[in-house]
Amino acid sequence: DVKVTQSSRYLVKRTGEKVFLECVQDMDHENMFWYRQDPGLGLRLIYFSYDVKMKEKGDIPEGYSVSREKKERFSLILESASTNQTSMYLCASSLIRPPWAQYFGPGTRLLVL
Amino acid sequence: DQQVKQNSPSLSVQEGRISILNCDYTNSMFDYFLWYKKYPAEGPTFLISISSIKDKNEDGRFTVFLNKSAKHLSLHIVPSQPGDSAVYFCAASASYGGSQGNLIFGKGTKLSVKP
Repeated sequence: DVKVTQSSRYLVKRTGEKVFLECVQDMDHENMFWYRQDPGLGLRLIYFSYDVKMKEKGDIPEGYSVSREKKERFSLILESASTNQTSMYLCASSLIRPPWAQYFGPGTRLLVL
Repeated sequence: DQQVKQNSPSLSVQEGRISILNCDYTNSMFDYFLWYKKYPAEGPTFLISISSIKDKNEDGRFTVFLNKSAKHLSLHIVPSQPGDSAVYFCAASASYGGSQGNLIFGKGTKLSVKP
């Protein structure tokens, strides 16, 4: 079974703080992804990575950065948290072949005050 | 512009009956389609997929139908159970064009199965 774990289930931070969200997968997947989910907006892709040290912007990268130093680990960084970054953050991983199924972690609910 | 659309935000079904969740897409380059189920405060779970060369794929109580000419797919759940109550996301991917591996998600349909 694919397992994707995220460092925290719930997180409360203050405006302006630097926030690190970590994701680890144990299935040797090449692809890793960060999404945020907001009511009525579905899943929106923030960043993704096809390989170690590689990163690509998704649909909403502003205010975020990522790091992938090891194949199994993909970190999302909020350089200076703002209240509009309050959201559910979801990490996923997948193989590089069809059907391109992504396997998700449990999510981190982040509240920025 | 939404490439994957789920036009029904919610659906309510009686236990034991069929649930039909619908999804439309616009990009003819999509060649794989997937359905995910999501409970509150959990990550989405992959349910079932279908390749564009097929028109039907079945896995237990779940069947996905694809109508390429109409750019439409649907997920049938038979029989529906209260534990099926969740948000269902449709997703699509194109194997060619530089973005292989990326999924485009619909906004989801909330299914409620009443006992």
